[in-house]
Amino acid sequence: EVQLVESGGNLVQPGGSLRLSCVASGFTFNSYWMHWVRQAPGKGLVWVSRITNDGSSTTYADSVKGRFTISRDNAKNTLYLQMNSLRADDTAVYYCARGHIIGYYWDYWGQGTLVTVSS
Amino acid sequence: QSALTQPPSVSGSPGQSVTISCTGTSSDVGSYNRVSWYQQPPGTAPKLMIYDVSNRPSGVPDRFSGSKSGNTASLTISGLQAEDEADYYCSSYTSSITYVFGTGTKVTVL
Repeated sequence: EVQLVESGGNLVQPGGSLRLSCVASGFTFNSYWMHWVRQAPGKGLVWVSRITNDGSSTTYADSVKGRFTISRDNAKNTLYLQMNSLRADDTAVYYCARGHIIGYYWDYWGQGTLVTVSS
Repeated sequence: QSALTQPPSVSGSPGQSVTISCTGTSSDVGSYNRVSWYQQPPGTAPKLMIYDVSNRPSGVPDRFSGSKSGNTASLTISGLQAEDEADYYCSSYTSSITYVFGTGTKVTVL
């Protein structure tokens, strides 16, 4: 059974940093591209970032470019999102999602972890 | 990248059909058959319902169907059931090598 379990969400002050983790199981992690998607309270889904299966290429939404860094450790089956210079509008539930192996969509999602940026 | 445009809400009685539109641009929906749809009941993670415009993953009822014309994609739920009540989001790959979601549509079963 495919499972994605996020952790690391917390309350952080504006300008602070946080690292999210997503532990994957039930599939060959190093074969899949992985993504982060976020959802502000009561709002819609927003794509944040993507990393290729070997970690050689990353892409970011304009809203987080230069502040967030996506990475992965295939030996630990773990995806990361390092978030720096956090702002109030980064407050959201952050989901990790598996990109389909031959497609441009997400076939499995984690349950999400809440990041709150507030003083 | 601006969000794709969806109606805020649609509703229907059990057994009826509802259609949700998803309007983008020639840089996303209009250029790629890479439109997918997700169902999100309150407090839960999104679930894939349609991929590549009109394909259903295993386990998704055939009451759900997708289509596309020009810059607009659509999700139709036929034979609406109470369990279909949820938020629905479309998504598309874009020419910027990124992804964009729709604004979301709340489906209410009357």
